[in-house]
Amino acid sequence: ETGVTQTPRHLVMGMTNKKSLKCEQHLGHNAMYWYKQSAKKPLELMFVYSLEERVENNSVPSRFSPECPNSSHLFLHLHTLQPEDSALYLCASSQEVGTAFGQPQHFGDGTRLSIL
Amino acid sequence: DQQVKQNSPSLSVQEGRISILNCDYTNSMFDYFLWYKKYPAEGPTFLISISSIKDKNEDGRFTVFLNKSAKHLSLHIVPSQPGDSAVYFCAASPSGGYQKVTFGTGTKLQVIP
Repeated sequence: ETGVTQTPRHLVMGMTNKKSLKCEQHLGHNAMYWYKQSAKKPLELMFVYSLEERVENNSVPSRFSPECPNSSHLFLHLHTLQPEDSALYLCASSQEVGTAFGQPQHFGDGTRLSIL
Repeated sequence: DQQVKQNSPSLSVQEGRISILNCDYTNSMFDYFLWYKKYPAEGPTFLISISSIKDKNEDGRFTVFLNKSAKHLSLHIVPSQPGDSAVYFCAASPSGGYQKVTFGTGTKLQVIP
């Protein structure tokens, strides 16, 4: 398998549930990212990991909890979410953090999350 | 405050003609600019990029132009093909070390056969 794989593709959960989103990259990259895409809004960066260390936490509510056990896997743990958290959650990876040296981010196909 | 703006939410172009997608930015510290393409139910894929030391970068049918004084960049697709129908995102980043990439809201391009 190649590229960036996200599971599940769709998730419906209640506000009191706990669930996790999973991302796996097969590109040998050192940096991984979580983004949120809401309707008619730009992609919002949530978290950045470089070599399993978090380098950016972009004022994200604590009901979102990331985990990066190794440079190939990234999780987003969800608990007590709100209806406004319904969105497309995208994972991405790049060779290194940032794009200064011609290293664009490679995205997964996203998890469409719906909060009831 | 949106630092990267794509003011046209949609664009329709006839097959074979030129598509021009525009992007404006406000942060003068941006040094590196990228275009991504997104099909429905898929993640964005990298298309082409340009650094601030250049004013043009070409890759096949895709050319990106950068006008630093106007803080404006554009993506030209010539000739446009129906398979180019997608949402196009402009993105920008300062250079050096870890720097946050800022995305625009996207322009939906429809190429009519």
